[in-house]
Amino acid sequence: AQSVTQPDIHITVSEGASLELRCNYSYGATPYLFWYVQSPGQGLQLLLKYFSGDTLVQGIKGFEAEFKRSQSSFNLRKPSVHWSDAAEYFCAVGAGGQNFVFGPGTRLSVLP
Amino acid sequence: SQTIHQWPATLVQPVGSPLSLECTVEGTSNPNLYWYRQAAGRGLQLLFYSVGIGQISSEVPQNLSASRPQDRQFILSSKKLLLSDSGFYLCAWNYVTDTQYFGPGTRLTVL
Repeated sequence: AQSVTQPDIHITVSEGASLELRCNYSYGATPYLFWYVQSPGQGLQLLLKYFSGDTLVQGIKGFEAEFKRSQSSFNLRKPSVHWSDAAEYFCAVGAGGQNFVFGPGTRLSVLP
Repeated sequence: SQTIHQWPATLVQPVGSPLSLECTVEGTSNPNLYWYRQAAGRGLQLLFYSVGIGQISSEVPQNLSASRPQDRQFILSSKKLLLSDSGFYLCAWNYVTDTQYFGPGTRLTVL
């Protein structure tokens, strides 16, 4: 069975600083990988996804993520964080249809 | 394009009362449908999923149930709510692309 870990429960960065949120997964084959963002009281919004091909994927809101098979990682990055990026971020692994596993989430706080 | 709706948006219910939350999807046919719960400050817990009308799989035994009376309608129910049922309930759908798309959620407070 697949699993997802997000080692950082809470990260605080200053506005304008760079950001990297870590995600590690466990799965026997090449997974489908996702990052979602959730603002307080809202549903989850898809930021980006990796299915195959180029291991560096671009998403919405200036985010990107890199799939590293050797490290079983799919870290999310943004070069310059905006105050509106403060939210909860979830990494997820899909293995076909209803086989979908979410990580525990990382809460991002942004200092002015 | 596809859209997903949930209602109500917020709900305050007394312990022991019944519950019915509704989720509908537009713009797609025969989607997989999911119910998740988020307790305060915690991640997503998958409660139920459905691959078709009348087909429900339960991931966590509890006093909640789910039904799918129509292709694009998914209902979460309870006969008697517990305090521990409080949380944020999210409905989601996916199809062959695997990407799950989420509704806006329902905030349930059980008093």
